[in-house]
Amino acid sequence: ETGVTQTPRHLVMGMTNKKSLKCEQHLGHNAMYWYKQSAKKPLELMFVYNFKEQTENNSVPSRFSPECPNSSHLFLHLHTLQPEDSALYLCASSQSQLASGANVLTFGAGSRLTVL
Amino acid sequence: DAKTTQPTSMDCAEGRAANLPCNHSTISGNEYVYWYRQIHSQGPQYIIHGLKNNETNEMASLIITEDRKSSTLILPHATLRDTAVYYCIVSDPNNAGNMLTFGGGTRLMVKP
Repeated sequence: ETGVTQTPRHLVMGMTNKKSLKCEQHLGHNAMYWYKQSAKKPLELMFVYNFKEQTENNSVPSRFSPECPNSSHLFLHLHTLQPEDSALYLCASSQSQLASGANVLTFGAGSRLTVL
Repeated sequence: DAKTTQPTSMDCAEGRAANLPCNHSTISGNEYVYWYRQIHSQGPQYIIHGLKNNETNEMASLIITEDRKSSTLILPHATLRDTAVYYCIVSDPNNAGNMLTFGGGTRLMVKP
């Protein structure tokens, strides 16, 4: 158990479906992140939230919609996805992205998404 | 943020030390060096980080050169479970939102 829990671990959806990925952290952190990892590609940062406020949107298409109701929970709402959106979606948390000093991220195990 | 350069892959014999190099020749004075690893299809795992001094923890040692332009991650006694992709990242807490940007990493294969 890493302290960052992602559900579901595997998800298969059609292009017209609406689904959500959930991330929960029990580390008392104030920053949460979504990363995408496509096959044989480096991790790509998608969104960052600090104290529930979005501080980074890395030019992500609007078919991905993040939600952060509190510092412990982060969602990624998915709708009308494309097959090329199939990837491992990773959630991470850290003490605070905005604080001085090192920013150590703790990652979840990821949600493997397949879009048919 | 400064970029890093790592070898694409390395092999190491089980029980021997694994020394993973990283070049970050454009690093600035405020940038930390971080190491993470990712075992196949799992989330990345934090290993160690440092600013100027060498660091050691229960997982590894981090050796940073005096000019800070390169570093080496040392796994003192590699096991088969250390087979993973190792990422070296530099990030400035005072710039670019202290963001961690992952590159391609080094694929370490520990062999019996």
